[in-house]
Amino acid sequence: GAVVSQHPSRVICKSGTSVKIECRSLDFQATTMFWYRQFPKQSLMLMATSNEGSKATYEQGVEKDKFLINHASLTLSTLTVTSAHPEDSSFYICSAPAGGGYEQYFGPGTRLTVT
Amino acid sequence: AQSVAQPEDQVNVAEGNPLTVKCTYSVSGNPYLFWYVQYPNRGLQFLLKYITGDNLVKGSYGFEAEFNKSQTSFHLKKPSALVSDSALYFCAVRATGGGNKLTFGTGTQLKVEL
Repeated sequence: GAVVSQHPSRVICKSGTSVKIECRSLDFQATTMFWYRQFPKQSLMLMATSNEGSKATYEQGVEKDKFLINHASLTLSTLTVTSAHPEDSSFYICSAPAGGGYEQYFGPGTRLTVT
Repeated sequence: AQSVAQPEDQVNVAEGNPLTVKCTYSVSGNPYLFWYVQYPNRGLQFLLKYITGDNLVKGSYGFEAEFNKSQTSFHLKKPSALVSDSALYFCAVRATGGGNKLTFGTGTQLKVEL
């Protein structure tokens, strides 16, 4: 099956700094990738749709200047959390559609802790 | 707008017994329906999907789900549960022609005990 990787798997940063999370499709190309945020024991909240070669589409209530998304190639999307604060601490997961686009394949997630 | 309801936060079942995890959905038009499983601190793993055709869909690890259009349900089932099936299960839906955007349910924690 299709494989999606994320890096790093876990990151701790200080309040006010920025953190970049990478999402890669390892054995397929993805013109679209999705970024989700998951709070403990809660469902996934779609943050934005990353589009290769164009601007990301953000969901309502998600600050695009805080969560910068860049889809630089057909296999890489990055999410940068700028000026991170403790309330940004969460589990961030990316996904990409494959297999004709019906199902999505998810990365293993990145645990962000802002101190 | 599309939505998914998973009415049970947790389901407990004894190993060897059948299990059911419930899911109902609301969507305009025909739905594409999915089940995913998540283990602690991991991403989601695809289990199975309904796109069209037979209402009974078989997926990974012995799981299956039945699409019921009149009841707008897509319950996940397994004839004989294993302790290793213990995990968080998510049902998701997207509308035909609605792009790739998925809407997830709130998740159901399955606990299989010896």
